[in-house]
Amino acid sequence: AQKVTQAQTEISVVEKEDVTLDCVYETRDTTYYLFWYKQPPSGELVFLIRRNSFDEQNEISGRYSWNFQKSTSSFNFTITASQVVDSAVYFCALSEAHGSSNTGKLIFGQGTTLQVKP
Amino acid sequence: GAVVSQHPSWVICKSGTSVKIECRSLDFQATTMFWYRQFPKQSLMLMATSNEGSKATYEQGVEKDKFLINHASLTLSTLTVTSAHPEDSSFYICSAGKDGLYEQYFGPGTRLTVT
Repeated sequence: AQKVTQAQTEISVVEKEDVTLDCVYETRDTTYYLFWYKQPPSGELVFLIRRNSFDEQNEISGRYSWNFQKSTSSFNFTITASQVVDSAVYFCALSEAHGSSNTGKLIFGQGTTLQVKP
Repeated sequence: GAVVSQHPSWVICKSGTSVKIECRSLDFQATTMFWYRQFPKQSLMLMATSNEGSKATYEQGVEKDKFLINHASLTLSTLTVTSAHPEDSSFYICSAGKDGLYEQYFGPGTRLTVT
């Protein structure tokens, strides 16, 4: 069965510190997709990244970077030089597949609450 | 971009009444929409998959007679919570898929409080 684990429930950092949010997943599918979403206090999910299982290249987008390692089934997210506006709940998610078809169903991790203090 | 709206954004209802939540894809057609539920300080849990013109597929443990889903058009899916109880109070979020479901767009959510 598919599963996503975000072991860090809450993280608190001071502004300008770097912070890494961990995500470990389990799946038997060879084709799958991994996502990160940000959920600010308003509740609306903000899409950050999608990565397919065949692309292990690390990705950088501004202060955000992602490290995908199939060998350890991890898809970690790093925020460099954190800012107060980064405070939110961050979810890692796995898209379920049936064979080669993407069902679109997302399995979410428990979420990590990030608090960035000024 | 792709925009998904939900209405209402919040609703308070009395125990025993029914509440309907709408999910609309505003600038694209979505043959498939998903409904998630999120309890306070918890993760999102998929409730059901809504396909246009056919019956919804419910996840294990979700009562289909209590959470009625209708996907009558390519831009609208509705979730009706029937005979709501306080334990149904939650944040309900829909998403709409396009491009083979590799892209999903989330609505802003509906906060339901049952008193």
